[in-house]
Amino acid sequence: DAKTTQPNSMESNEEEPVHLPCNHSTISGTDYIHWYRQLPSQGPEYVIHGLTSNVNNRMASLAIAEDRKSSTLILHRATLRDAAVYYCILKMVVNSGYALNFGKGTSLLVTP
Amino acid sequence: DSGVTQTPKHLITATGQRVTLRCSPRSGDLSVYWYQQSLDQGLQFLIQYYNGEERAKGNILERFSAQQFPDLHSELNLSSLELGDSALYFCASSVAGTSIDNEQFFGPGTRLTVL
Repeated sequence: DAKTTQPNSMESNEEEPVHLPCNHSTISGTDYIHWYRQLPSQGPEYVIHGLTSNVNNRMASLAIAEDRKSSTLILHRATLRDAAVYYCILKMVVNSGYALNFGKGTSLLVTP
Repeated sequence: DSGVTQTPKHLITATGQRVTLRCSPRSGDLSVYWYQQSLDQGLQFLIQYYNGEERAKGNILERFSAQQFPDLHSELNLSSLELGDSALYFCASSVAGTSIDNEQFFGPGTRLTVL
C-alpha cells in the first residue's frame, strides 16, 4: 500500500492561512487522497478528499499536484478550534473492503 | 455530533477478562469499521462489516472478534485481555463500504483500561 509522509508538527497564528503538506510519491492512479483531523479527546473527523482536481468545501481546500505525488490541505483562516492532528490518508483496499490507513499525522498548533 | 454512538464511554477491567464494546452507526449507514488507537501504535484499522458480513480485516488479534447484527449495530469482543490492550477503540460508519471514496463518520470512542 502507498504511504504518506507529513511533518510531525506545524504552528500557525489565528486567522492566518495554513498550508499542511503531504507527500505520497508511490500513489497509484486509483488512490483517492483523504484528509481527516482529530481534535483533542474526539474521534477523527472527515475534512476533504480528492482524486486529481483541486477540491473546496466549507472546511478547507485540497490542492493536488499535477503528478499527484503530493498534496496540500489549506485552511483559509485558522481558528483556535482548528488545533488538531491532521491525517493525510490514501485509502487501503483490504480484502473486499476499504479502510483508512492512518499515519502519524501533523499536529497543528494555533496561537492567538 | 457524528451520529455514531459508542458505549460504554470508559471501561476499566483486569487482565484475563473479556469485554464487549458496542457501536450504533448513523441512520442509513450499512458499513461499520473498528479502529484501535494507542500511544505507541497510533490509529490502526481492525475490521469492517458491511450489512452484516465481514468485509475487510486489518491488524485484529485472534483474541478479538466482532459482529454486525441485523439492526446494523456492531459489537467488538475483546477476550483474555492484556495490559497492552489498553487503548481508545473507535467505531466508524459509512453509507456503503464498497466505494473507495466513502466518507467515514467516527464515534466518540470507548477508552479501555486494563489493570
